[in-house]
Amino acid sequence: GQQLNQSPQSMFIQEGEDVSMNCTSSSIFNTWLWYKQDPGEGPVLLIALYKAGELTSNGRLTAQFGITRKDSFLNISASIPSDVGIYFCAGQETSGSRLTFGEGTQLTVNP
Amino acid sequence: KAGVTQTPRYLIKTRGQQVTLSCSPISGHRSVSWYQQTPGQGLQFLFEYFSETQRNKGNFPGRFSGRQFSNSRSEMNVSTLELGDSALYLCASSSHQSGTEAFFGQGTRLTVV
Repeated sequence: GQQLNQSPQSMFIQEGEDVSMNCTSSSIFNTWLWYKQDPGEGPVLLIALYKAGELTSNGRLTAQFGITRKDSFLNISASIPSDVGIYFCAGQETSGSRLTFGEGTQLTVNP
Repeated sequence: KAGVTQTPRYLIKTRGQQVTLSCSPISGHRSVSWYQQTPGQGLQFLFEYFSETQRNKGNFPGRFSGRQFSNSRSEMNVSTLELGDSALYLCASSSHQSGTEAFFGQGTRLTVV
């Protein structure tokens, strides 16, 4: 089946630093989504990408849909303590609505 | 607009029992998907329903089943529970047939003892 490799697995940064994480796939996806999950809660949608090469921002977050359709990255600028959580990428295949998730990036921000 | 609502939030069951989890999607959304989240396997797709029909199914045994009602609410059932079924079960709803922009509920934390 499809696999999504997300890196890094964890990051420890100081408040104010920028963060970058990415996902790569063995197959093409039609859509890339980025989610954040807090402990004990469901994932919250941050950014959705629909076209190869698309660059989309949501506040301090910026994500890009790779040209090859097999990768995506998420940047967080000027991190703050509330950015702490697990970030997941998810890809949607060209047919159907099944989402394939990356393994997640655990972000820790030190004040 | 109310978000995705899952009930119950927490559940403890004994091996061999069966359990039913409920999901109410965002008003107007017709697609409901279920995912299992565990520390070892991450988020795994269970199945997806659209207009009361199962459209996609993941690689889970037949003990895992679901259904969707005419008001788009969905239930999933797990029979003959095993210890390994302990997980956070997440429901996601979306408005389009393509299922993009899936919005998740808070999940049901199932513990099997």
